[in-house]
Amino acid sequence: QGQLVASGGGVVQPGRSLRLSCAASGFTFSSYAMHWVRQSPGKGLEWVALVSFEGSKTYYADSMKGRFTISRDNSRTTLFLQMNSLRVEDTAVYFCAKVHSGYADPFDIWGPGTMVIVSS
Amino acid sequence: SYVLTQPPSVSVAPGKTARITCGGSDIGSKSVHWYQQKPGQAPVVVIYYDTDRPSGIPERFSGSNSGNTATLTISWVEAGDEADYYCHVWDSSRDHVIFGGGTRLTVL
Repeated sequence: QGQLVASGGGVVQPGRSLRLSCAASGFTFSSYAMHWVRQSPGKGLEWVALVSFEGSKTYYADSMKGRFTISRDNSRTTLFLQMNSLRVEDTAVYFCAKVHSGYADPFDIWGPGTMVIVSS
Repeated sequence: SYVLTQPPSVSVAPGKTARITCGGSDIGSKSVHWYQQKPGQAPVVVIYYDTDRPSGIPERFSGSNSGNTATLTISWVEAGDEADYYCHVWDSSRDHVIFGGGTRLTVL
């Protein structure tokens, strides 16, 4: 079926950087676009970013554009999210998710999420 | 930007039918996916492409989409259906994923 495991979360001060990773297994990672989605405590789901299957195309939510960078290493079947200039409001659980096929498809595999806390 | 509007909460007695709506401008022209999320867990897709149901999802879950409203219907509601539900579309005009604000289903 496939599995995603995110890591790299933790406590970081405002203005600092953090890099999240998402290790994929059980499916042909290089064939699928991948996303990051976040959820602030007690809040709803918020889409963060998308990277195409080969890594050449990236798209971002407006509030993350310019601060966050999504990338992937298909040889290591790993997805990344580089987060710079972190703000208190970036505190959330960050999920990586696999799209079923095309960009308009549902997310059929989700990782369990990694918690990021931005606090002084 | 495109906005999806869901009611914050829906309450229903066991055995009854719950309907959760997702409103958006001409949403009927888009494909809508629905996720169930229980506390401390990642979301799980329960309906995709408006009406399709993944294997393992009970037939009690169904979907529809027309005009400005998509609807997730849960028939014969059980206590285990208590969760947050989110709708999701792809906004091709901006290459963005859009989620609704989520609806908490409470089984009375």
